[in-house]
Amino acid sequence: GAVVSQHPSRVICKSGTSVKIECRSLDFQATTMFWYRQFPKKSLMLMATSNEGSKATYEQGVEKDKFLINHASLTLSTLTVTSAHPEDSSFYICSAPGTGDGYTFGSGTRLTVV
Amino acid sequence: DQQVKQNSPSLSVQEGRISILNCDYTNSMFDYFLWYKKYPAEGPTFLISISSIKDKNEDGRFTVFLNKSAKHLSLHIVPSQPGDSAVYFCAARKLGNTPLVFGKGTRLSVIA
Repeated sequence: GAVVSQHPSRVICKSGTSVKIECRSLDFQATTMFWYRQFPKKSLMLMATSNEGSKATYEQGVEKDKFLINHASLTLSTLTVTSAHPEDSSFYICSAPGTGDGYTFGSGTRLTVV
Repeated sequence: DQQVKQNSPSLSVQEGRISILNCDYTNSMFDYFLWYKKYPAEGPTFLISISSIKDKNEDGRFTVFLNKSAKHLSLHIVPSQPGDSAVYFCAARKLGNTPLVFGKGTRLSVIA
């Protein structure tokens, strides 16, 4: 089945630094990648939609200059959290449509900003 | 404005009995409804889906029922097993490569 590999699984960074999260589709081409964020005991909130070769579409309230999304190839989408602050600490997950109704999710990245 | 709602944050069921997880939605334009299972610090795992033109879909121990007039769907797990203990998310989407909209999840605990 369709597999999305997400790295790193967890990262701790200092305030003010940037962190890059990668999602790779291993056995299929992901023309679209969705990026979600989950706060503790809350739902998954859509942050942005990336399409290969074009600019990402951000949801209302998501700062595009803070959360940089790049989808340069059919198998790789990246999310860079720039100038991270403690309030950016969260669980970030990517997801891509596969061949069925259910989309494939990465394993998630736990970001802690100290 | 929450388009997908799971009003029960938690549910406890004895092993072997039926687990019924409920979900309501407000957007009548959704074309697919899905259930995902999630463990802490992991991505959601797809369980089962149903098209808006159907009212029931079954896959092994999992059955999803859709009541469009009530804008309500439910996931039945029979028989429940301890390994089913997890957070279950209801999600919905429109046709095409459109994003999933999630409910807040229900934590299911299956007690041996």
